[in-house]
Amino acid sequence: AQKITQTQPGMFVQEKEAVTLDCTYDTSDPSYGLFWYKQPSSGEMIFLIYQGSYDQQNATEGRYSLNFQKARKSANLVISASQLGDSAMYFCAMRDPNAGNMLTFGGGTRLMVKP
Amino acid sequence: DVKVTQSSRYLVKRTGEKVFLECVQDMDHENMFWYRQDPGLGLRLIYFSYDVKMKEKGDIPEGYSVSREKKERFSLILESASTNQTSMYLCASSFVPIGTEAFFGQGTRLTVV
Repeated sequence: AQKITQTQPGMFVQEKEAVTLDCTYDTSDPSYGLFWYKQPSSGEMIFLIYQGSYDQQNATEGRYSLNFQKARKSANLVISASQLGDSAMYFCAMRDPNAGNMLTFGGGTRLMVKP
Repeated sequence: DVKVTQSSRYLVKRTGEKVFLECVQDMDHENMFWYRQDPGLGLRLIYFSYDVKMKEKGDIPEGYSVSREKKERFSLILESASTNQTSMYLCASSFVPIGTEAFFGQGTRLTVV
């Protein structure tokens, strides 16, 4: 069974600073996809960034980048120049074809940006 | 605009009632998912469907069943609701390719009293 672990239940970051949210995963399949979602207090799930296991480059989307270390099975989200609106829950997720392409989530990290 | 719609935002049901949570997507997605979200536990997959009438158990299927009679609709059924099923329920859908993201509904907060 696949497993996603987010070890930081909560984090603070000063506005305008960068922050890294940790995510490790476990799968025996060489082909998989990794996702990060943001959930603000309003509750909607917002897709942020995707990394495929065979992608050579780390994914980037605006202020979001993914620090993908395949050998360590980690896919940390880096948010640069934090903004107050970044305060939210952040979830790491994985799709694994051996698990029928199910999308499995970690426990989440609550990020709080301080002014 | 992409849309996943859950039939209710808030629901209060009594213990022992049969509860239906409905989810409809308008993107012609093959995959549909039901999750429950509890503080500190993240999103846990209840059931997954990859095609009409096809379903797979997720991590926590006990006490739940699902129905997918049409491609756009995926229903979650609590056969006999219990207080430990009080939670936020999220529906999502996606295309099949592994690199495609899932789109989520707004969630249903279910309280079983």
